[in-house]
Amino acid sequence: GEDVEQSLFLSVREGDSSVINCTYTDSSSTYLYWYKQEPGAGLQLLTYIFSNMDMKQDQRLTVLLNKKDKHLSLRIADTQTGDSAIYFCAESIEGSQGNLIFGKGTKLSVKP
Amino acid sequence: DAGVIQSPRHEVTEMGQEVTLRCKPISGHDYLFWYRQTMMRGLELLIYFNNNVPIDDSGMPEDRFSAKMPNASFSTLKIQPSEPRDSAVYFCASRVAGEGEQYFGPGTRLTVT
Repeated sequence: GEDVEQSLFLSVREGDSSVINCTYTDSSSTYLYWYKQEPGAGLQLLTYIFSNMDMKQDQRLTVLLNKKDKHLSLRIADTQTGDSAIYFCAESIEGSQGNLIFGKGTKLSVKP
Repeated sequence: DAGVIQSPRHEVTEMGQEVTLRCKPISGHDYLFWYRQTMMRGLELLIYFNNNVPIDDSGMPEDRFSAKMPNASFSTLKIQPSEPRDSAVYFCASRVAGEGEQYFGPGTRLTVT
């Protein structure tokens, strides 16, 4: 079945780049997503990539997709303390009508 | 647009009581999803609707859970009777058919004592 894996924790210093990694198992993924969740808050859509793309950049965020290895990454440049949150990777499977399969989330801690 | 709206934001109830969670999707969105988030199981899809019709409810835990979408701007998720293991954050999300973005509401934090 479908499975999305992420490491649980990442700690970086303010100003450094953060790279959050994700692997997925279903090769028929259509879209892959990154959501951000701050404590006690909902899920904020950060960015998403269509499966026929290999890179997408949006200001400080860069998404890289390696479809062959089923690997997705999110790079945050110049990480700030306000970036501290849990980051969820999710995939949408072809034919699933858009319901998302989520990873368990990576908790990013940014130290000043 | 106000985004996906959920109410209440917090609900505390006693075991055995009926709980109703509410969602207003983004106007013009024709898909609506209900998810549940727990520490143990993460985010799980419970049910989703397309044009107000339930398409897949295979994620609904048991018969105590039911969901309705009487019109394009309103959906409810009901738990009757509620149990302590139903304690979780329940999210509603919506999107437009054929587009990638799926937007989530702020969630309802349910505590059943």
